[in-house]
Amino acid sequence: DTEVTQTPKHLVMGMTNKKSLKCEQHMGHRAMYWYKQKAKKPPELMFVYSYEKLSINESVPSRFSPECPNSSLLNLHLHALQPEDSALYLCASSTRHPIYEQYFGPGTRLTVT
Amino acid sequence: GESVGLHLPTLSVQEGDNSIINCAYSNSASDYFIWYKQESGKGPQFIIDIRSNMDKRQGQRVTVLLNKTVKHLSLQIAATQPGDSAVYFCAEILNTGNQFYFGTGTSLTVIP
Repeated sequence: DTEVTQTPKHLVMGMTNKKSLKCEQHMGHRAMYWYKQKAKKPPELMFVYSYEKLSINESVPSRFSPECPNSSLLNLHLHALQPEDSALYLCASSTRHPIYEQYFGPGTRLTVT
Repeated sequence: GESVGLHLPTLSVQEGDNSIINCAYSNSASDYFIWYKQESGKGPQFIIDIRSNMDKRQGQRVTVLLNKTVKHLSLQIAATQPGDSAVYFCAEILNTGNQFYFGTGTSLTVIP
């Protein structure tokens, strides 16, 4: 299994809602990542988890809260988002961190209204 | 972020022709480079990588060239096919091991 799965595929939420994005991989990778991608722009790194511990937080606002319950799962909890947070949220994994080849999921298209 | 940029934001090629996508970087401490392909509605997909101690690496229909003297990276796609239409990103990993940067991306369109 060389796949990273993400749910949901699409999410529309209001600014007062709380929602979560989920990511799963069964490749035995010990590093997992969240990226944010705006239209026609490259992905921007948000968080890195290495061996289930938060390794890098790229100065992401606290309305985004990551969680890594185990080595196969990665969540991104969303609360009080702004319309400018609308984007494609990509999850990726790699065998380890530091980062080398990453496997990306298809992303969750988030729209904040 | 670091300076990993592409010379051309868009590229159109005729089916069957070869494509060349370029990328410039500015950090001589870069250890490793990766080319990704991102099709519409999908996440980036690994194409090929190259370490800084190499000049060239070949894959299936793709070749990456690294010129450290001028800090330039290119991706060559042979016999470009309609399925190659996508946005291509170069990514740079610095030898500190904790820095990973995507370039701005080049949109490749293959004309049948």
